[in-house]
Amino acid sequence: GDSVTQMEGPVTLSEEAFLTINCTYTATGYPSLFWYVQYPGEGLQLLLKATKADDKGSNKGFEATYRKETTSFHLEKGSVQVSDSAVYFCALVGTSGSRLTFGEGTQLTVNP
Amino acid sequence: GAVVSQHPSRVICKSGTSVKIECRSLDFQATTMFWYRQFPKQSLMLMATSNEGSKATYEQGVEKDKFLINHASLTLSTLTVTSAHPEDSSFYICSARSTGGTGELFFGEGSRLTVL
Repeated sequence: GDSVTQMEGPVTLSEEAFLTINCTYTATGYPSLFWYVQYPGEGLQLLLKATKADDKGSNKGFEATYRKETTSFHLEKGSVQVSDSAVYFCALVGTSGSRLTFGEGTQLTVNP
Repeated sequence: GAVVSQHPSRVICKSGTSVKIECRSLDFQATTMFWYRQFPKQSLMLMATSNEGSKATYEQGVEKDKFLINHASLTLSTLTVTSAHPEDSSFYICSARSTGGTGELFFGEGSRLTVL
């Protein structure tokens, strides 16, 4: 079945540092890929998405590129802020249906 | 963008009582809604898929009689935790799929249930 594997956390960075959170997936066909963010005590918000190979999703300074050859969708940001502290989830929707499969989540803490 | 609202956001109840959580799509119709459970510092676990006008589809290991799901209209799905026990304490999140698109889901704010 479909699965998503995320880089283990927690990740702690200083403000303005570069961020990478790795995400790899297993799925048949061409799934759609997503990054969601969950701030403390809240639900999930879609951060960015990519629906086909080589697509780059971007939002709020975050980027991720859909790499079919490496089955990856790594999240990057060039300069993190304290307000980026949250849990980040990589997810996919397979071609077989609408079910969303989540990775384990990565806790990011950004210190001033 | 599309908005999904959950209510209540927090609820505390005594063991043995039942609790109902509502999930509403505020500006779109959702024929399908999903209910997730999230344990502390863990990922989301899909509990069930709620289909308007029909029975919910439960994931393996989720007790149907324990977690009653009703999707009576295109904008409302409810999750009722029956005879709640402390181990049911968790963060419950619903999501709704907008019509069309690429499978993007919009999530509610979540409901934190604490069973004493």
